[in-house]
Amino acid sequence: GDSVTQMEGPVTLSEEAFLTINCTYTATGYPSLFWYVQYPGEGLQLLLKATKADDKGSNKGFEATYRKETTSFHLEKGSVQVSDSAVYFCARSPGGTSYGKLTFGQGTILTVHP
Amino acid sequence: EPEVTQTPSHQVTQMGQEVILRCVPISNHLYFYWYRQILGQKVEFLVSFYNNEISEKSEIFDDQFSVERPDGSNFTLKIRSTKLEDSAMYFCASRWSGPYNEQFFGPGTRLTVL
Repeated sequence: GDSVTQMEGPVTLSEEAFLTINCTYTATGYPSLFWYVQYPGEGLQLLLKATKADDKGSNKGFEATYRKETTSFHLEKGSVQVSDSAVYFCARSPGGTSYGKLTFGQGTILTVHP
Repeated sequence: EPEVTQTPSHQVTQMGQEVILRCVPISNHLYFYWYRQILGQKVEFLVSFYNNEISEKSEIFDDQFSVERPDGSNFTLKIRSTKLEDSAMYFCASRWSGPYNEQFFGPGTRLTVL
């Protein structure tokens, strides 16, 4: 079935360090891909998305490119801030004319120290 | 900015009791979802709801679960006879039409079954 695999966490970085969180997905059909972020005590918020191969989603300095050949959607940021500390979830939906249920990865806890 | 709200934020119940979790989706959205996250595990899809009926459900969503949109505003998840393993964070989400549109999530209800 559909699945998403994220790198194991937690990830601890110093401020201004480079961030990569790996994500791979099952290639069934033509999925849309998402990164959601969850700040402490809050719900999941969409960070960025990509709906077809080679699309690059970007927001708040974060980027991820939909790579069909490697079935990957890795999240990157060039210089993290303390305020980026949160849990990050990679997710896929079937795309097309589906009802759009999301399949999530296990989440990666990011902690950024000053 | 419109947002999805959920009540209560925390519900404690005894095993075998019925619980109703409530959600108010964003007002012009058409698709509604429930997800759950058992502590330390992935966010899992439970059910999607469109046009006043269930459009898709997971194997978790058995006969003990039901959903309703009683008044065109609220969207509820009922668990008829709670089990210990139902303890989790339950998230409601909604989205506008179109499979590529993002789902907006509520802050979640933490259900604890004793």
